[in-house]
Amino acid sequence: AQRVTQPEKLLSVFKGAPVELKCNYSYSGSPELFWYVQYSRQRLQLLLRHISRESIKGFTADLNKGETSFHLKKPFAQEEDSAMYYCALGEVVSINKFYFGSGTKLNVKP
Amino acid sequence: EAQVTQNPRYLITVTGKKLTVTCSQNMNHEYMSWYRQDPGLGLRQIYYSMNVEVTDKGDVPEGYKVSRKEKRNFPLILESPSPNQTSLYFCASSSQGNYGYTFGSGTRLTVV
Repeated sequence: AQRVTQPEKLLSVFKGAPVELKCNYSYSGSPELFWYVQYSRQRLQLLLRHISRESIKGFTADLNKGETSFHLKKPFAQEEDSAMYYCALGEVVSINKFYFGSGTKLNVKP
Repeated sequence: EAQVTQNPRYLITVTGKKLTVTCSQNMNHEYMSWYRQDPGLGLRQIYYSMNVEVTDKGDVPEGYKVSRKEKRNFPLILESPSPNQTSLYFCASSSQGNYGYTFGSGTRLTVV
């Protein structure tokens, strides 16, 4: 069963517009959730994790257990935000077991 | 510089010829993991390791082997590669799983 769903393969927005990349998960316990970013020709980088409640590069994500979602948001998109974004879930019991979504390509147009 | 190093970056091989992709990290991380990335499927975990001599299967372990004899190294072994193992492979390490992983730069494998 797919643990992490990112329904949008591609999301295009104009510079300065708000961005929301959707992530829904399926997990019976309390998951550890992450967002990773992959810029063109670069390796995956951890963007943020829900346990730290941080804001990185203007992005935030809130865990909504009722809706089983962990959407990534930014109020004003920048061209340099264009990249592939992956939502990931780590199992609490076996923390090393990770499930990634299929990714959303964000294209920020000038 | 703290990093995860994979070699080779690119590899073309023939069906059935055993190969090893090496992975090394210099951060003294306990957790290491291998993923394959395929279009439309995202990243899928192949194997992971929580410490030396402790490994376990991820979602797609068939056709792969790993070993963790030293903390810093976690090689991925394909005993008899097949064309459906053509993919982009990533190694990653973490001090603790819930702090997130540091990824290597990837190995693009083509099996013909």
